[in-house]
Amino acid sequence: SAVISQKPSRDICQRGTSLTIQCQVDSQVTMMFWYRQQPGQSLTLIATANQGSEATYESGFVIDKFPISRPNLTFSTLTVSNMSPEDSSIYLCSVRGPLSNLDRVGYGYTFGSGTRLTVV
Amino acid sequence: GQQLNQSPQSMFIQEGEDVSMNCTSSSIFNTWLWYKQDPGEGPVLLIALYKAGELTSNGRLTAQFGITRKDSFLNISASIPSDVGIYFCAGQLGTYKYIFGTGTRLKVLA
Repeated sequence: SAVISQKPSRDICQRGTSLTIQCQVDSQVTMMFWYRQQPGQSLTLIATANQGSEATYESGFVIDKFPISRPNLTFSTLTVSNMSPEDSSIYLCSVRGPLSNLDRVGYGYTFGSGTRLTVV
Repeated sequence: GQQLNQSPQSMFIQEGEDVSMNCTSSSIFNTWLWYKQDPGEGPVLLIALYKAGELTSNGRLTAQFGITRKDSFLNISASIPSDVGIYFCAGQLGTYKYIFGTGTRLKVLA
């Protein structure tokens, strides 16, 4: 399985500011995915980031609020812009690839450890 | 839109007991994944299911892909304190898109 590093692991930000979250993967991947997990909630897909093209956003998420960069096959950033307290969540980077942590062959999604964002 | 409902929402069990949780949907899925999330961490994949009716084990974990392709269950045998966490199911929609269930919070009492 790919190893994903996310930075920062947590941050406390003032409302109205922006935060850029970095995601680094130890192998080249075509697609990277950004998820949001609001407090006590499940994971919701924000967008899919492809190298060399614009990100594809899910319903309810827009590029102006969550701009994404994908400069190469191992790196992506998600920016949370003009933050408000409602943006307080865990933001997770994910990639799809072959699995080595199961006793069988298959594909699945590996997640980074997440960025815990608190907006005050 | 599609939604995955997990039950129970939370459970307290004694160490050594078996645990069972399930995930249901009104939609049909091609793949089911089960994840565990520890506090402060991202979800870690436990089991992947690819065919209707499939039963797969990973150590003390057993999961099954429902024959209707609208549900899945996860069993944990002989629970231990480190099993505590949130368990999420995820169903595959498109080629690369998954939606996640509402989660089951498991607490194990030693």
